[in-house]
Amino acid sequence: AQSVTQPDIHITVSEGASLELRCNYSYGATPYLFWYVQSPGQGLQLLLKYFSGDTLVQGIKGFEAEFKRSQSSFNLRKPSVHWSDAAEYFCAVGTGGGADGLTFGKGTHLIIQP
Amino acid sequence: SAVISQKPSRDICQRGTSLTIQCQVDSQVTMMFWYRQQPGQSLTLIATANQGSEATYESGFVIDKFPISRPNLTFSTLTVSNMSPEDSSIYLCSVALEGVSSNYGYTFGSGTRLTVV
Repeated sequence: AQSVTQPDIHITVSEGASLELRCNYSYGATPYLFWYVQSPGQGLQLLLKYFSGDTLVQGIKGFEAEFKRSQSSFNLRKPSVHWSDAAEYFCAVGTGGGADGLTFGKGTHLIIQP
Repeated sequence: SAVISQKPSRDICQRGTSLTIQCQVDSQVTMMFWYRQQPGQSLTLIATANQGSEATYESGFVIDKFPISRPNLTFSTLTVSNMSPEDSSIYLCSVALEGVSSNYGYTFGSGTRLTVV
């Protein structure tokens, strides 16, 4: 069975600073990896996903993530955060093909300092 | 991507009662997924609903507690039965749609916030 670890429960970043959220996965085959954002009282919004190909994936809102198979990681980055980026971020892994649901990490709560 | 309508958006229910949550998708999909998000927690998959067959439940979830219907390719319901305060959570439905190069995207409904008193 697959699993996802997000080591950081909370992260505080100053507005304008760079951001990296960590995600490690465990899955025996090629993983399908996702990052979602959930703002307070809102639903889940897909930031980006990785299936294959280029290991650096560009997403919405200026986010990117890099898949590193050797480290079983899929870290999310943003060069300069905005106050509106404050939210809960979830990394998830799927088995591909759309027949199975996703396994989510516990999430990282991002706080933006002015 | 698909548009998912989920009803109700929130409800407050008495313990011992049941609530049925509806999920309507604007396109035909093979699989629909139901998740639970307990307060301050991550999402946990409850079950996968395939049209025309019994839903498949994840470990820790049983059909008697969370019966699911899937009458057609655009609609599903999840019932939370004999509720207790521990069932207070956000319940979300999700679908997977095949995109370019067979890459699947998972879209989520806005969720049903359930409070059991």
